[in-house]
Amino acid sequence: DAMVIQNPRYQVTQFGKPVTLSCSQTLNHNVMYWYQQKSSQAPKLLFHYYDKDFNNEADTPDNFQSRRPNTSFCFLDIRSPGLGDAAMYLCATSRGTSGTNEQFFGPGTRLTVL
Amino acid sequence: QKEVEQNSGPLSVPEGAIASLNCTYSDRVSQSFFWYRQYSGKSPELIMSIYSNGDKEDGRFTAQLNKASQYVSLLIRDSQPSDSATYLCAVKWDSSYKLIFGSGTRLLVRP
Repeated sequence: DAMVIQNPRYQVTQFGKPVTLSCSQTLNHNVMYWYQQKSSQAPKLLFHYYDKDFNNEADTPDNFQSRRPNTSFCFLDIRSPGLGDAAMYLCATSRGTSGTNEQFFGPGTRLTVL
Repeated sequence: QKEVEQNSGPLSVPEGAIASLNCTYSDRVSQSFFWYRQYSGKSPELIMSIYSNGDKEDGRFTAQLNKASQYVSLLIRDSQPSDSATYLCAVKWDSSYKLIFGSGTRLLVRP
């Protein structure tokens, strides 16, 4: 089945220790998104890629970086995690063609910062 | 400022009833509207999308869109305890690929 996969599902890191979250997709979608979601809040878009074109949100901290080496994979790097970065990180994809542009989410990675 | 607003709930309905979830948005050039269901600790799952004024039905779910009033709703007929979740409304605006999410309405279906 075509899907969006995130690894790991749970990640524990120490304050200030870099961490990388990964996302892969078999949908062959052009657009990949990274969201941060904290408890009882809306998903907050961090950035997205249309193919290799990177689009950063204005309020995304510099501590968050992303890489998309190919169509299938996208990574979220948190260079120096703080306690406030503990959250669920969601990867999503969409076709990117004109029209509806429905987004499909992976299962998420729950990040804990000690 | 583009905003999507939802009542946080919880909305409590008895099993078998119709649950009505509402969403208002602030931007008139919004194009597409989506409802996601999110179980506690899980990721959002797309359940309905709607692009034109009127109703769209899919099984027990009906989405209703009124662009003049900037209002979109989700009706769940014959509600089941398994429908208990948070329902996120999302709006796609302009020609962007981005979605603007509401903070969600928590639905509780009582057996």
